[in-house]
Amino acid sequence: SQQGEEDPQALSIQEGENATMNCSYKTSINNLQWYRQNSGRGLVHLILIRSNEREKHSGRLRVTLDTSKKSSSLLITASRAADTASYFCATAPGGNTGKLIFGQGTTLQVKP
Amino acid sequence: NAGVTQTPKFQVLKTGQSMTLQCAQDMNHNSMYWYRQDPGMGLRLIYYSASEGTTDKGEVPNGYNVSRLNKREFSLRLESAAPSQTSVYFCASSEASIAPLHFGNGTRLTVT
Repeated sequence: SQQGEEDPQALSIQEGENATMNCSYKTSINNLQWYRQNSGRGLVHLILIRSNEREKHSGRLRVTLDTSKKSSSLLITASRAADTASYFCATAPGGNTGKLIFGQGTTLQVKP
Repeated sequence: NAGVTQTPKFQVLKTGQSMTLQCAQDMNHNSMYWYRQDPGMGLRLIYYSASEGTTDKGEVPNGYNVSRLNKREFSLRLESAAPSQTSVYFCASSEASIAPLHFGNGTRLTVT
């Protein structure tokens, strides 16, 4: 079964609005990562947050991590049409197994 | 700097045929991975290699074999292709286990 589950599965917003995506996972983790995938392309790493961190920023991206609830959120502020993509969370289960497990993704559409 | 290069980009096989998907990275990364992506399933890990000379099974290894030829190259072989192996295959690499992944652009495989 998938380690990470994203919510919502699909999101449609207007340019300039904020987009929030959530990820829940099942086991303890070393870190949690967010990736973006444009149509027909490979995934691109966005941000990594470690299990002892609660919040991290990178440009217009803000990621939070709540290990007690086993959940994370990705906030994209002031969205642009170019942000249209699928977004995936990926977790590195505890114990450094070397396996990065991906969720099913959230498809974001930003309308100009 | 090419990053992660996958060949071929597209392939059509008949049931029972065999083929090898090639992957090479030029970032001197230690770890390499093979994922498959199916609609609604996200990415699932097939095999990974934490370092040169080692390989381990992921979530869905049945029907596949891998070879870590050297530090740069990690190939995925389908010995007897089945329609259930129709998918998009992504190779990825990282500096170390559970570090951010760098993805290739994928191989789109159809088995008829």
